Formats: sequence, structure tokens, C-alpha cells
Amino acid sequence: GIQVEQSPPDLILQEGANSTLRCNFSDSVNNLQWFHQNPWGQLINLFYIPSGTKQNGRLSATTVATERYSLLYISSSQTTDSGVYFCAVHSGGSNYKLTFGKGTLLTVNP
Amino acid sequence: DAMVIQNPRYQVTQFGKPVTLSCSQTLNHNVMYWYQQKSSQAPKLLFHYYDKDFNNEADTPDNFQSRRPNTSFCFLDIRSPGLGDAAMYLCATSREDRSPDTQYFGPGTRLTVL
Repeated sequence: GIQVEQSPPDLILQEGANSTLRCNFSDSVNNLQWFHQNPWGQLINLFYIPSGTKQNGRLSATTVATERYSLLYISSSQTTDSGVYFCAVHSGGSNYKLTFGKGTLLTVNP
Repeated sequence: DAMVIQNPRYQVTQFGKPVTLSCSQTLNHNVMYWYQQKSSQAPKLLFHYYDKDFNNEADTPDNFQSRRPNTSFCFLDIRSPGLGDAAMYLCATSREDRSPDTQYFGPGTRLTVL
């Protein structure tokens, strides 16, 4: 099956810093989603982005499908950005099944 | 606001005592999913329903069952919980499963097995 790798596994920032999280995938994808899992466990949709670039406030994402990677940018980080960021993909063979990466644990210190 | 709701948020059960987790949605989505997420791991799909059609993942233990009595509700039944079943259980929905579509997650139920 498709492999999804996220980097870095852990990231510690000071409030106000910028960061880039990366997601590599091993095969072509029909769908790619970025999620933020807050400290209470809820998975919150950030972006649905199989290709191209999207922005939502301080967050933006870019997927280069031909090169099989996606990037999530967080600018001017805040303590509330802390949590785990997951990348998840649908691959062509299984439209319903999201394959998750292992996540990036982000800690933003005040 | 349209949403995915899970109850309870925290559930404690005893080893071997059956437990039911509940999920409801106001999005009127066709598809509902159950995921298991153990500590420091990614969510793992257990099964999903497209309308009333049940789809079990090959590696989902028989101890886990599910019911979907109507569009809005879906239940996860764990017949004989073991210590290894302690996890966060996440319910998600999407409009379709035959085409790539966004999945929306509920807040989860954290299950403790004593």
C-alpha cells in the first residue's frame, strides 16, 4: 500500500516563529488532507489539497502531486498551534481509506 | 453548526465487559467511519458504512462490531474489551466513498479498560 512519511517527527518553536512541515507519499493520490489534532484528541480539518496551494489565515499548504509531497506552513506560531499535525491521503486503489502519516508533534512555547 | 458528535467523551470499562460507543452526525453524509487511535500513533481505520453497506477492514478484530440504524447514528460495540483496546476511538463522516472526499472527524471517545 501507499506509504506516507512526515517530517520532522517533533518540532519545538518559540511563539512567533514560522515553520514548515513536510509530507512525502509513495504513489499518486486522489486526495490529501492536513489535520491538526489538538491536546484533547480532536482531529480538525485544515486543508483538503490534492494539488496546488491554499491559504487559511496563518496557515497555508502546497501539494506538488507530480513530485509526491505536500508542505504545511505555519507562520507567526501561537501556543494554540501546539499538537500533532497529520497528513493523510487517499490513493487510487482505495478511495475511501485515508492512509495517515505518523504525524509531527509541534510544541509552541510562550 | 453541522457536526459530528461522539458520546461519551470518556468511557471506562472493565476487562471483558461489553461497551458501546456512539456517534451521530448532522451533516447528512452517506459514509460513516470508525477509527482506533492508540497513544502516539496515527488513526487506524476499523470499518465504515456507506449508507447501510458495512465494510470491514481485513485486520479488524472480530471483537469489534458496528451498527448503523439510520443515516445519523453509528455505534461501535466492543464485545469483550481487553487491555489492548484502550485507545481513542474516532468517528468520521464523508459524503461519498467512491470518490475522494473530505472526512470530518468527531471529538473522539477515550476508552480506558481496567
